[in-house]
Amino acid sequence: AQKITQTQPGMFVQEKEAVTLDCTYDTSDPSYGLFWYKQPSSGEMIFLIYQGSYDQQNATEGRYSLNFQKARKSANLVISASQLGDSAMYFCAMRETYYNQGGKLIFGQGTELSVKP
Amino acid sequence: DAGVIQSPRHEVTEMGQEVTLRCKPISGHNSLFWYRQTMMRGLELLIYFNNNVPIDDSGMPEDRFSAKMPNASFSTLKIQPSEPRDSAVYFCASSLDLGGSGNTIYFGEGSWLTVV
Repeated sequence: AQKITQTQPGMFVQEKEAVTLDCTYDTSDPSYGLFWYKQPSSGEMIFLIYQGSYDQQNATEGRYSLNFQKARKSANLVISASQLGDSAMYFCAMRETYYNQGGKLIFGQGTELSVKP
Repeated sequence: DAGVIQSPRHEVTEMGQEVTLRCKPISGHNSLFWYRQTMMRGLELLIYFNNNVPIDDSGMPEDRFSAKMPNASFSTLKIQPSEPRDSAVYFCASSLDLGGSGNTIYFGEGSWLTVV
């Protein structure tokens, strides 16, 4: 069965510094996608970054990068040059895929990031 | 482009009343999801549809919950009768499902339900 684990309930980072949010996953399927979402205090779920299981390179989107280590089944999110607006809950998620059809998306417990000025 | 649109954004209702949450997915997307978020249980998938057909409803809590997708641009989640423990944020989400990053699921802003 699929499982996503985020072991850091809360993290603090100084403004302008980089921070890594941990995520490990478990699946027996060879084809899957890994996602990170941001949920600010206003409540919406904002898609940040995607990594496919067959992608050779780590995904990057602006200040976000995903440190994908397939053998270790980890997909850590790295936020560079933290900003006050990065303070939010961050969720790691995984979705298995079947012939380009996506299955259900399951989420980790989330990590609450606080950026200090 | 319009994102996933949910209504109502906020609803307060009395125990025993029927609640209907509505969702319009992103145009062209072929998969639709209903999630529930609570402090205790986190984000739970209730049901998801592909091409308007329910694929997995194993997360639907009980018979009080039902979901429909009569066409590609509209879905409802109904709770009848509602109970205080149904208080949560209900998210609708959709995806295009073309493979790769095309499998990204995009969320609406959520419907905040309070049952008193």
